Amino acid sequence: GAVVSQHPSWVICKSGTSVKIECRSLDFQATTMFWYRQFPKQSLMLMATSNEGSKATYEQGVEKDKFLINHASLTLSTLTVTSAHPEDSSFYICSARDQIVGRTSGSNTGELFFGEGSRLTVL
Amino acid sequence: SQQGEEDPQALSIQEGENATMNCSYKTSINNLQWYRQNSGRGLVHLILIRSNEREKHSGRLRVTLDTSKKSSSLLITASRAADTASYFCATDATFNYQLIWGAGTKLIIKP
Repeated sequence: GAVVSQHPSWVICKSGTSVKIECRSLDFQATTMFWYRQFPKQSLMLMATSNEGSKATYEQGVEKDKFLINHASLTLSTLTVTSAHPEDSSFYICSARDQIVGRTSGSNTGELFFGEGSRLTVL
Repeated sequence: SQQGEEDPQALSIQEGENATMNCSYKTSINNLQWYRQNSGRGLVHLILIRSNEREKHSGRLRVTLDTSKKSSSLLITASRAADTASYFCATDATFNYQLIWGAGTKLIIKP
């Protein structure tokens, strides 16, 4: 199946610093990528939809200036947590769909491919 | 956003037993998908069932879908310790690439 690489896997930073997380589709192109946040023992919370070449679409309650998303190419989206604070500590996960119909499974089934996640700890 | 409810929230069974998890949703869907998440890792797609399908199999996995009840079940037969993970259902209500996620079931397989 298609592979999504997310980096870094974990990061510890001081309060007030900014952290960038990268999400790459390694063997397919992704016009759209999704960024999620997951709290311990909870489900995924969609933060924003990242669109290649245009502005990201943020979910209600997610601060655009806090969580900067850039999708400059068909294989790379980045999430920057600006001026991080301890409450931003969480597990961040990206996902993408293979845009080429029929390439991976014979039809555009809507399957999402996930990165391994990035655990952010803000001290 | 979440529209799905999954039960049970947690399930602990002996290795070799079957595990059943349920998912309910609220709106009409195009398909329903099940994913697995090992602790601290990303999610892995398990199986997808379309709205016009009632049952689907993949290895030890069996998924059913009842659109009249807006519910689905995931059965894992002959469970193994490696099946220990959290399982999420996700519904695809439109073709806008967004999925709506259930709260997940944490499955523990005791050796």
